[in-house]
Amino acid sequence: ETGVTQTPRHLVMGMTNKKSLKCEQHLGHNAMYWYKQSAKKPLELMFVYNFKEQTENNSVPSRFSPECPNSSHLFLHLHTLQPEDSALYLCASSQGGIATDTQYFGPGTRLTVL
Amino acid sequence: AQTVTQSQPEMSVQEAETVTLSCTYDTSESDYYLFWYKQPPSRQMILVIRQEAYKQQNATENRFSVNFQKAAKSFSLKISDSQLGDAAMYFCAYRSALNYGQNFVFGPGTRLSVLP
Repeated sequence: ETGVTQTPRHLVMGMTNKKSLKCEQHLGHNAMYWYKQSAKKPLELMFVYNFKEQTENNSVPSRFSPECPNSSHLFLHLHTLQPEDSALYLCASSQGGIATDTQYFGPGTRLTVL
Repeated sequence: AQTVTQSQPEMSVQEAETVTLSCTYDTSESDYYLFWYKQPPSRQMILVIRQEAYKQQNATENRFSVNFQKAAKSFSLKISDSQLGDAAMYFCAYRSALNYGQNFVFGPGTRLSVLP
């Protein structure tokens, strides 16, 4: 379970705070993803990065701002969030660019917005 | 757009018995990949099994096997000799093979309980 790590594991923030979630992968992958997992809803893909370039943005509100400085690190910057943004945020990575691409997930950050 | 449906929000199985989790999907593509992921309580989501749509043979991984029916767009997961550690949320997922698409589409999940 150390292939993809996420910090912090738990985060409580107010609506006016600014915080960042961090993801790091040690698998030599080239693609990284952010997902939102809410109770009783399917995983929602938020962002995809390939070789540090953002290739997917699934209509995510601008209060979520991703950053991918290199293929091993992915951040999700949060500001002025809403209570409905409370969820488990999962990071994943994959090799990218291959037909048999498979995602590997981190443990997630449990976010609570007060 | 592709969709993935898991019609069983919750399932339970007796330890050592066999259970089958259902998954159906909707796509107009002919080449794609299907996955089952397992998410134990408060633990990381891990890949259980993967099936390539162009392969007729059903994938197996130890006690886990799938029944892939391409024409019916069905992809069920069979867990044999269930163990307490199999208790988890199970997610079915689809990924297009077109242009090495990376938009993985997940179903809503099935919560599996294993009874001792």
